[in-house]
Amino acid sequence: GDSVTQMEGPVTLSEEAFLTINCTYTATGYPSLFWYVQYPGEGLQLLLKATKADDKGSNKGFEATYRKETTSFHLEKGSVQVSDSAAYFCALKGRGSTLGRLYFGRGTQLTVWP
Amino acid sequence: ETGVTQTPRHLVMGMTNKKSLKCEQHLGHNAMYWYKQSAKKPLELMFVYSLEERVENNSVPSRFSPECPNSSHLFLHLHTLQPEDSALYLCASSQVNGGTHNEQFFGPGTRLTVL
Repeated sequence: GDSVTQMEGPVTLSEEAFLTINCTYTATGYPSLFWYVQYPGEGLQLLLKATKADDKGSNKGFEATYRKETTSFHLEKGSVQVSDSAAYFCALKGRGSTLGRLYFGRGTQLTVWP
Repeated sequence: ETGVTQTPRHLVMGMTNKKSLKCEQHLGHNAMYWYKQSAKKPLELMFVYSLEERVENNSVPSRFSPECPNSSHLFLHLHTLQPEDSALYLCASSQVNGGTHNEQFFGPGTRLTVL
């Protein structure tokens, strides 16, 4: 079945450091891929997405490229800020999903220190 | 109000209590979802209401009972819960067009503690 494997944290970085959070997936066909962010005390917010191979999603300085050959969708940011401290979730939606069901990874907690 | 709202934000209940969680979406969507977020586990889809049809995850215990009186409101009725049901319960909504579920928008969640 469809699933997402995500690098588990916690991840602790200094401000302006480079961030990578690994995400790989298992799915039939060509799923859509997502990164969600959850700030403390809030719900999940869509950060970026990609719907086909080689697409690059980007938002707020974060990027992720849909790599079908490695079944990966790693999240990167060149220079993190304290305000990026949050939990990050990789997710996929199967192409043939009739429910819009999202399969999530376990989440990675990021803490950025000034 | 905008987006997806959930009440209460925090709930503490005993195992013999009956309570309900409420979700309201102000986005004009036609599908709503309940998710359970437990510590160190992936988010788990519990129920989907799409175009007035309910679909559920067969692993969800019957002590959780959803209700969707209209496309804007979603409830989760709770009764005789167990301590392991303590979690963050997230509601989401999306627009379904031609069978395709578009982006899901999430509420802030209800933090439930079962004593």
